[in-house]
Amino acid sequence: GAGVSQSPRYKVAKRGQDVALRCDPISGHVSLFWYQQALGQGPEFLTYFQNEAQLDKSGLPSDRFFAERPEGSVSTLKIQRTQQEDSAVYLCASSLRDRGPSGANVLTFGAGSRLTVL
Amino acid sequence: KNEVEQSPQNLTAQEGEFITINCSYSVGISALHWLQQHPGGGIVSLFMLSSGKKKHGRLIATINIQEKHSSLHITASHPRDSAVYICAVVRGSNYKLTFGKGTLLTVNP
Repeated sequence: GAGVSQSPRYKVAKRGQDVALRCDPISGHVSLFWYQQALGQGPEFLTYFQNEAQLDKSGLPSDRFFAERPEGSVSTLKIQRTQQEDSAVYLCASSLRDRGPSGANVLTFGAGSRLTVL
Repeated sequence: KNEVEQSPQNLTAQEGEFITINCSYSVGISALHWLQQHPGGGIVSLFMLSSGKKKHGRLIATINIQEKHSSLHITASHPRDSAVYICAVVRGSNYKLTFGKGTLLTVNP
């Protein structure tokens, strides 16, 4: 597609419920990133994929968070047993090449998935 | 201390005013991004800089690598410029972006 597509845009979950957030990157983009943005804060890095390989998951806050990109395109971020502190906007971004976003390697963000845990 | 600091946190201006938002960082970087985020909306990349200055329409971004400082300027500001402006840096070959907390800009008609 023309941009990075995320779904759902809004999700309300009860505490303890599992959720899955989907990211459709720009076709052909090698790198895919997930970020978490709490209210009033800048985004924080969660995890990075290069094609289907998850090269860095150091930002995932707990083992309740799991991300995958099995075929190197669509990615899913799963949060198990959601807690209120998981409430945030989850942003996905992709870039064409396999190195960091610098030079001509532009990073394109999706609109985000806003998760509210009650 | 955050690695990326933005100032001011909040900025209110009248339509037509010249706006400056500042970003200072404390680490070595290979590139710096200026991003725009509208309420309830996604993030749009405005500029990516590694040196010097870039201009796009009414927006100008500058960076001074030696002083570890960047500025985003908006000339002839307009209410539609109201948004959060975020500075983010790329460290060396590290693919992670480190974000500032953003500057909330409100331009009143």
